This record gives sequence, C-alpha cells and structure tokens, in this order.
Amino acid sequence: EPEVTQTPSHQVTQMGQEVILRCVPISNHLYFYWYRQILGQKVEFLVSFYNNEISEKSEIFDDQFSVERPDGSNFTLKIRSTKLEDSAMYFCASSGDRAELFFGEGSRLTVL
Amino acid sequence: SQKIEQNSEALNIQEGKTATLTCNYTNYSPAYLQWYRQDPGRGPVFLLLIRENEKEKRKERLKVTFDTTLKQSLFHITASQPADSATYLCAPWSGGSYIPTFGRGTSLIVHP
Repeated sequence: EPEVTQTPSHQVTQMGQEVILRCVPISNHLYFYWYRQILGQKVEFLVSFYNNEISEKSEIFDDQFSVERPDGSNFTLKIRSTKLEDSAMYFCASSGDRAELFFGEGSRLTVL
Repeated sequence: SQKIEQNSEALNIQEGKTATLTCNYTNYSPAYLQWYRQDPGRGPVFLLLIRENEKEKRKERLKVTFDTTLKQSLFHITASQPADSATYLCAPWSGGSYIPTFGRGTSLIVHP
C-alpha cells in the first residue's frame, strides 16, 4: 500500500540552526500538508501546498518557515533559525482529493 | 474563534461494549467532518469523513453521526477490542477551507 515517508525520524539540533525535514508524498497525490504536534498537545496545521505554491498557511507558519517541492517527488519543510519552542513532531500529509489525508510517521525535532 | 472540543478524559470500556466519543465545535459551520485514529508516537490515520448533508456514516464497526444543529459529531465503535485502544481525533474542515483542523482527541482504552 502506498505511504508517505518522512526523514529523518528524529533530529536533534542547536537553537539557531537551520533544519530541513523531508517528505515523499504518495506519488499521484496533488495536495500536500505539514502539521506539527507538540508533546501532549493537539495536531496543528502549518501549511498546505498545491500546484507548486502555498494554498493556505496558519499563524504558526511565520517567516522562519518555508516549504518547497524541489523535484517531482520530495516535499520539504525548512525552519531557518530554530527556537526551543519548535521542538515537536512534524507530520507531512498528502491527499489525492482533499477528502482523506494520508500522514507520514513524523519527524521528531528536538531543539537544545 | 473556532473551537473544537473533545473529552479530555480517557474513556475506559470493557471489550465487547460500544464506545461513544463526542466532538463539539463552535463558531463555525464545517461542511465536512473527519475522524482519525492516532497511536502514540505515530501519525494520524484517516477513518471516516461525513458531509453536512449526511446524518450518519458507517464503516465496518464504526459509525459517525453529524448533527449540524447541535454542532456535534458522535463516533461509535461497536464490539470494541483492545486493539481499538488509541486516541481518536475529530477534524472538522474550517469554514471556507479544505483544511482539517484537529481537536485534542479522546483517548480510548479497551480493557480485555
């Protein structure tokens, strides 16, 4: 069964460093999303991406965040200068019809 | 502001019983509402989507109702099994948008 894959599964970084989280969505999907979940809290929407551009973003998705689809298969989330409060599990999701989102297993980011 | 409320306390039930989880939302009128399952440390898994013009939707042992007057969705698992133990997330689509917005989820624990 097709699945969304995310790398790395866990990344530890120092505050102020740049981090890139990578995702390979399901191949025929057109809609891509990033969500995050701080430990013990709810899954929060960050950004959606369609037709090579951001379609929606939340207040969390400020100037330190960016997304890119550098080729036909990868979808990346970049955090330019990490802060302690960026520590969270980051989930990538893709969808073919927006009715059902398929999530990856997440990338756990720890900022020290 | 838009608010999604799910029971924060865990629901403990005996194997074989029906589990009923509640999702209430305020300050918007979603056209669609999804339910997801999330296991610890893993990404959400899509279970069901119900549209505003559908009162009830079923899939195997799962049943979802959607009452737009009460602004409430109920999620039922019949003949529950220990393997059903997980956190269940309600995700109405925010008004005017196709982005699922997640509640905090309710933890279900099914005892053998």
